Amino acid sequence: SQQGEEDPQALSIQEGENATMNCSYKTSINNLQWYRQNSGRGLVHLILIRSNEREKHSGRLRVTLDTSKKSSSLLITASRAADTASYFCASRRSYNTDKLIFGTGTRLQVFP
Amino acid sequence: DVKVTQSSRYLVKRTGEKVFLECVQDMDHENMFWYRQDPGLGLRLIYFSYDVKMKEKGDIPEGYSVSREKKERFSLILESASTNQTSMYLCASSFKSPGGAWETQYFGPGTRLLVL
Repeated sequence: SQQGEEDPQALSIQEGENATMNCSYKTSINNLQWYRQNSGRGLVHLILIRSNEREKHSGRLRVTLDTSKKSSSLLITASRAADTASYFCASRRSYNTDKLIFGTGTRLQVFP
Repeated sequence: DVKVTQSSRYLVKRTGEKVFLECVQDMDHENMFWYRQDPGLGLRLIYFSYDVKMKEKGDIPEGYSVSREKKERFSLILESASTNQTSMYLCASSFKSPGGAWETQYFGPGTRLLVL
């Protein structure tokens, strides 16, 4: 079963707009990560937020984490056509494993 | 820069063939992973290796085996390919916890396999 579930499944916006993607997870985590995948390529790590953090920024990316609601959001500000990709959240399956569980992803399309 | 390479970007095989997918990483990572990715299903873990000659089944190991004879190389083997194994296969690697930045996985470009 998928621990992380992204919402929405697909999102289309114009360049310059902000894009928000959400992720819900089921079990306790010590960190949550976001990855990006360009069409037909491998995943690239974007940002990691720890369970004791509520918000983290990296360039145009802003990630929030609400452990009480078991949810995280990824905000991309001032989006560009090059941001078109699929975005996945991932978390460790349990404290004693290095294995991650990935969500099904949000497909973002940014129109010029 | 971390580099994870996969032996083929595209592969076409016949039903019943034995298929080898190879993955090589250059970061001295202990952990290596094989995933398959299908539309609507996200990434599903096939096998995980945390050391040379060590392996652990993932969520969908049936029909697959793996080999890790050297630290940098992790092979996925489809013993007898079937059409339902047509998919995108992704290899990844990471440090073993609690080594530096161990939480991050680094992915190869993927192999798109078509089984006819």
